[in-house]
Amino acid sequence: AQKITQTQPGMFVQEKEAVTLDCTYDTSDPSYGLFWYKQPSSGEMIFLIYQGSYDQQNATEGRYSLNFQKARKSANLVISASQLGDSAMYFCAMTGGYNKLIFGAGTRLAVHP
Amino acid sequence: DTAVSQTPKYLVTQMGNDKSIKCEQNLGHDTMYWYKQDSKKFLKIMFSYNNKELIINETVPNRFSPKSPDKAHLNLHINSLELGDSAVYFCASSQASGGSYNEQFFGPGTRLTVL
Repeated sequence: AQKITQTQPGMFVQEKEAVTLDCTYDTSDPSYGLFWYKQPSSGEMIFLIYQGSYDQQNATEGRYSLNFQKARKSANLVISASQLGDSAMYFCAMTGGYNKLIFGAGTRLAVHP
Repeated sequence: DTAVSQTPKYLVTQMGNDKSIKCEQNLGHDTMYWYKQDSKKFLKIMFSYNNKELIINETVPNRFSPKSPDKAHLNLHINSLELGDSAVYFCASSQASGGSYNEQFFGPGTRLTVL
């Protein structure tokens, strides 16, 4: 069965530093997508970044990059130059059958000034 | 321009009541979804429709009934509400149901509280 594991329930980082949020996944499908979403305290789900299983390069979107290690089945999110507004819940997800998203338990990130 | 909208944003009701949540997307997407986020923030798929056809029906009590009158709308009706139904319900949409890449756009969520 497909599964996403986020082992860090909470993380904190100093403003302007980089932080890595861990995500491992399990699937037997050769083709899949990996996503990261941000959920601030206001509650909305904000798409951050996507990585396809066949993509050779790691995905980057501004200050976000996805460290994709296929053999280890990991898809860690790296946020560079953290800002106070990055404080939020972060969810790793993967595509399952019929494109449903299977989510991890989330990591709560706190950015300290 | 709201991409995926849900009404109401908050819903407080008594146990045993029947309630509906509505969702609309103006992105021209073919596929829409309902997700439930519980009190521990865990998100789980409930249903998905592709072009008005039900394609995902996870293990959800049959008190929950989705309805898609057209591909821009997906409603969720809940009968005989129970305390355990209290959660945030998210609607989402995506371009199609196949392929590995299909960014899902989420609505703002509906916080349901059952007293």
